[in-house]
Amino acid sequence: NAGVTQTPKFQVLKTGQSMTLQCAQDMNHNSMYWYRQDPGMGLRLIYYSASEGTTDKGEVPNGYNVSRLNKREFSLRLESAAPSQTSVYFCASSREQGEQYFGPGTRLTVT
Amino acid sequence: GENVEQHPSTLSVQEGDSAVIKCTYSDSASNYFPWYKQELGKRPQLIIDIRSNVGEKKDQRIAVTLNKTAKHFSLHITETQPEDSAVYFCAASKGGGGNKLTFGTGTQLKVEL
Repeated sequence: NAGVTQTPKFQVLKTGQSMTLQCAQDMNHNSMYWYRQDPGMGLRLIYYSASEGTTDKGEVPNGYNVSRLNKREFSLRLESAAPSQTSVYFCASSREQGEQYFGPGTRLTVT
Repeated sequence: GENVEQHPSTLSVQEGDSAVIKCTYSDSASNYFPWYKQELGKRPQLIIDIRSNVGEKKDQRIAVTLNKTAKHFSLHITETQPEDSAVYFCAASKGGGGNKLTFGTGTQLKVEL
């Protein structure tokens, strides 16, 4: 099992450009999450999907959109990137009330 | 919403000593409290968790205690080793739709030889 995978690993964008971060899990988990990690701020929840077909906002959703494509895949889209979105992005998945498993992360820089 | 505070932000101990990291939470409905370890450049990984129906849980050198009345929980690492050096995050969840977590801001633990 690959667990949780994310692409790309690194990305540099110019202000105003758009991109989609991809996440997939092969553990048959119902729930998936997107977090951003900034120095000194811990991990903050951007969006989550409790089950296939549902998505909800987390703590810091502004500037992002998500799509739960199917049970395995959950993507995060930046429509118009801003320097404030420079961060490390982690995808995670879990059973309903279980441990969250994290992907390897995407390091995004917006110039 | 939930707010989780974590202290200290940095902690330096000598190898073999114990380390204690403390967290407080604000939402009395929270019922799941995991601790994650993150090594430099790596993903967070669960090291131990506790649910609100339990006051203490231990796994070898690691233990977590929970005080629901005071709304705080702590991570205890005994006999620290250099490989324990990492950033540790506490988190809280009240379940419901999914298991979304609110994280503390992290503690950088350094174990010195």
